[in-house]
Amino acid sequence: QVQLVQSGAEVKKPGASVKVSCQASGFTFTKYYIHWVRQAPGQGLEWMGRFTPNPRDIIYAQEFQGRVTLTRDTSTRTDYLDLSSLRSDDTAVYFCARDGGNHDFDHWGQGTLVTVSS
Amino acid sequence: QSALTQPASVSGSPGQLITISCTGSSSDVGAYDLVSWYQVHPGKAPKFMMYHVTNRPSGVSNRFSGSKSGDTASLTISGLQAEDEADYYCSSYTTSDTWVFGGGTKLTVL
Repeated sequence: QVQLVQSGAEVKKPGASVKVSCQASGFTFTKYYIHWVRQAPGQGLEWMGRFTPNPRDIIYAQEFQGRVTLTRDTSTRTDYLDLSSLRSDDTAVYFCARDGGNHDFDHWGQGTLVTVSS
Repeated sequence: QSALTQPASVSGSPGQLITISCTGSSSDVGAYDLVSWYQVHPGKAPKFMMYHVTNRPSGVSNRFSGSKSGDTASLTISGLQAEDEADYYCSSYTTSDTWVFGGGTKLTVL
């Protein structure tokens, strides 16, 4: 079955960077796009960006432009979210989610808690 | 891109019908039939509940239905059950080739 397994919780200091991984199984990985979504404590879901195999089609939410990078390692079926210049308000659970082909998010990773604290 | 507007909370008794609205603009909800809905239980990953406004993924109860009129989409849950108590989020693809979520609605089953 489709599974997205994310890396473990991280604690970072302000100004640092964090890299979250999302390993896929149970489907033809190269045929699907992966989105990243975050949820800050007590807040709603926030779309961050979408990875596509064509670098020109990778797209990021304006709020994260310049701070976020999405990459993929097809040999390990793993997508990565790299977020730099971390601030305390980046403290959130970060999710990867598969694009089901209908501009939706049909399968989700379990989430990775990133805590930014001095 | 501003978040789509959802009511902060709705409630209903078991067996009742409730509707959650999701209001956007002509740049997102009104532009395409590409609205989807997600159910989030505390501490869990979101669950995919509806796509293309009205379509249920396999395994989702037919008590859940979706609709859209203009810039507003809606999720209706009939025959409310205790297990339906959760947060619900709408999402829409936008004319900027991005996605936007609603602010979320907390459903309480009384």
